[in-house]
Amino acid sequence: QSVLTQPPSVSGAPGQRVTISCTGSRSNIGAGYDVHWYQQLPGTAPKLLIFGNSNRPSGVPDRLSGSKSGTSASLAITGLQAEDEADYYCQSYDSNLSIYVFGTGTKVTVL
Amino acid sequence: EVQLVESGGGLVQPGGSLRLSCAASGFIFSHYQMNWVRQAPGKGLEWLSYVSGSGTTMNYADSVKGRFTLSRDNTKNSLFLQMNSLRVEDTGVYYCAREHVVVPAALDIWGQGTMVTVSS
Repeated sequence: QSVLTQPPSVSGAPGQRVTISCTGSRSNIGAGYDVHWYQQLPGTAPKLLIFGNSNRPSGVPDRLSGSKSGTSASLAITGLQAEDEADYYCQSYDSNLSIYVFGTGTKVTVL
Repeated sequence: EVQLVESGGGLVQPGGSLRLSCAASGFIFSHYQMNWVRQAPGKGLEWLSYVSGSGTTMNYADSVKGRFTLSRDNTKNSLFLQMNSLRVEDTGVYYCAREHVVVPAALDIWGQGTMVTVSS
């Protein structure tokens, strides 16, 4: 059972904006630990999309953005494209468990 | 090119052992903390373990503590995961991943994964 909760799925039409929430607690996100986001295309390894809450690695388009507030974080995808159809995971550190933790994962479907 | 390549996966019986390897190239291996992450079939990501760049500090998820041992050989740019007392629930794809040099926990480079199947 993950300590970071994400909606199982979100969907949107091409060009629309979707957001994925990542809800934690005072022992992880709420304690100030950074949140990172990953994209996993079908049959491939995860790829780092956002690190340190809102920073994009080189090559990640600015259509993707991350934010954090209180005990939650969000990933926003604007101008949704077919290539965005994938699973997305948030990640942070939990001080109660003293380990890195992943969110439950969200499947993004482009209608 | 920065790259991680896992190997060593396969089919093993419950209670058996397996040793996974991860070969790194394209970066100064000893400068980076390294991690293992697994994914059971059709499930999400599960962080398993990390080892510091020097190899002196390790951390494990409770699900594998006492059964899995992480080590590294910086002279050979290699990471290892010794898995003992394997259980059916250990079945999945195992990924090695490099941790960002500045931002803790951010896994910026991943291998392609190696499949481990625990079954009788």
